[in-house]
Amino acid sequence: DAGITQSPRHKVTETGTPVTLRCHQTENHRYMYWYRQDPGHGLRLIHYSYGVKDTDKGEVSDGYSVSRSKTEDFLLTLESATSSQTSVYFCAISGAGGLGFSYEQYFGPGTRLTVT
Amino acid sequence: EDKVVQSPLSLVVHEGDTVTLNCSYEVTNFRSLLWYKQEKKAPTFLFMLTSSGIEKKSGRLSSILDKKELSSILNITATQTGDSAIYLCAVGGATNKLIFGTGTLLAVQP
Repeated sequence: DAGITQSPRHKVTETGTPVTLRCHQTENHRYMYWYRQDPGHGLRLIHYSYGVKDTDKGEVSDGYSVSRSKTEDFLLTLESATSSQTSVYFCAISGAGGLGFSYEQYFGPGTRLTVT
Repeated sequence: EDKVVQSPLSLVVHEGDTVTLNCSYEVTNFRSLLWYKQEKKAPTFLFMLTSSGIEKKSGRLSSILDKKELSSILNITATQTGDSAIYLCAVGGATNKLIFGTGTLLAVQP
């Protein structure tokens, strides 16, 4: 399995509180992605990164921000959590090492977030 | 707008049956189509199909890309209960991103 970990794995938080999810990789891949998965919607891209300090928005980026200060870490922040952000969040990395790119993506174990 | 559609949404079969899952796409500047299997955890990579590799096979699973019809099928022969999962199709196009379908939920009964 690709060396991807996510933390925390489960979190319950209250509406209006800030939440940060962490994705850590040991593969030295350039590209990292954050998705959310909801019933009936499949996997939807929130944000992605194509290098340190280089990020871009996905299709459902409203209410989320990201940061990447090191190759191995990609953080997803919910500035003020809402119930609509209750979901399972997956981090993914592309399949090519170093500066390369591949459409093959490998996923972390996921974080189940509940906003009450 | 780019989109990926999978069918059927769900199906139930018995062990030993053969199943065919479908994926159609409308994606700008198609580059690749990928299949993933998702059990009660993260999606795991199965195949990637491109213009230079339109057919892949691994054990009982095989997949074909039809660029004329803008579609792909995933075949599973001699199904087993361990094949029960959500099967996701994703397409890569002009950007370094994947567009996912909503998946097909396969249940294999003993």
